[in-house]
Amino acid sequence: EAGVVQSPRYKIIEKKQPVAFWCNPISGHNTLYWYRQNLGQGPELLIRYENEEAVDDSQLPKDRFSAERLKGVDSTLKIQPAELGDSAVYLCASSRLIQETQYFGPGTRLLVL
Amino acid sequence: SQQGEEDPQALSIQEGENATMNCSYKTSINNLQWYRQNSGRGLVHLILIRSNEREKHSGRLRVTLDTSKKSSSLLITASRAADTASYFCATDGGGFKTIFGAGTRLFVKA
Repeated sequence: EAGVVQSPRYKIIEKKQPVAFWCNPISGHNTLYWYRQNLGQGPELLIRYENEEAVDDSQLPKDRFSAERLKGVDSTLKIQPAELGDSAVYLCASSRLIQETQYFGPGTRLLVL
Repeated sequence: SQQGEEDPQALSIQEGENATMNCSYKTSINNLQWYRQNSGRGLVHLILIRSNEREKHSGRLRVTLDTSKKSSSLLITASRAADTASYFCATDGGGFKTIFGAGTRLFVKA
C-alpha cells in the first residue's frame, strides 16, 4: 500500500512570493490533515478535511493561507504571499476515519528568504 | 497552544538501557497516541491508547495512561541505536482536534 505522497520535498522562495504544496493521501482515507511543524516543535494542525469538506480550519491563517481538496482525494495548501515566519515543514496526513491512526507523508520543507 | 507536554525534553542513554518518556495534558481525552520522528523523516505512528485503557504493549514499547493524573508514559525496553529519534504524544482534546506536544529527543549511544 502506497503511503501519503507529498511534493515538493523542498522549496526555497523569497518573501512575498506564492508557494503551493501538494498531497496525495492513502487510497480510501476520508480524512486529510495539513500540519505545520516548526524547528524543535511538534506539528500544529492547520486544517482537517472530511472528504472534500474543511471541517476544522480554525488554526489556518486565512489572510494568506488557503487549501482545497477537490473530489475528496488530493489536496493543495497555498501560501500567498509568503513571510519569513512561514519557514517550516508542512506535513500532510490521512486517516481512514476521524480519530483513527494518522499516516504522515515525508513533508515539504519550506525556506522563505 | 500545544496540549501535550513531554518530559524530559531530551534523553541520552546507552544501547540496551530502557528509556522512559512522559506526557502530560490538560483536558479530558478520548485517546492518546505516540509518534516517532527520525531526523529528516515523517512521523510514524507507534501506539494509540484509549481513555478506558490503562496499558498497551507493542513489541519493545509499553504505554501507560493515567487519566486521573492526565498523564501517559512511553517505555522503550532494551533500546537500540535505531531508536534515536524524537517522540511525540498527541491527544484529541476530547474532540476531533489532534494536538501534539513539543516532543522528547532520545539519543541512544552505541
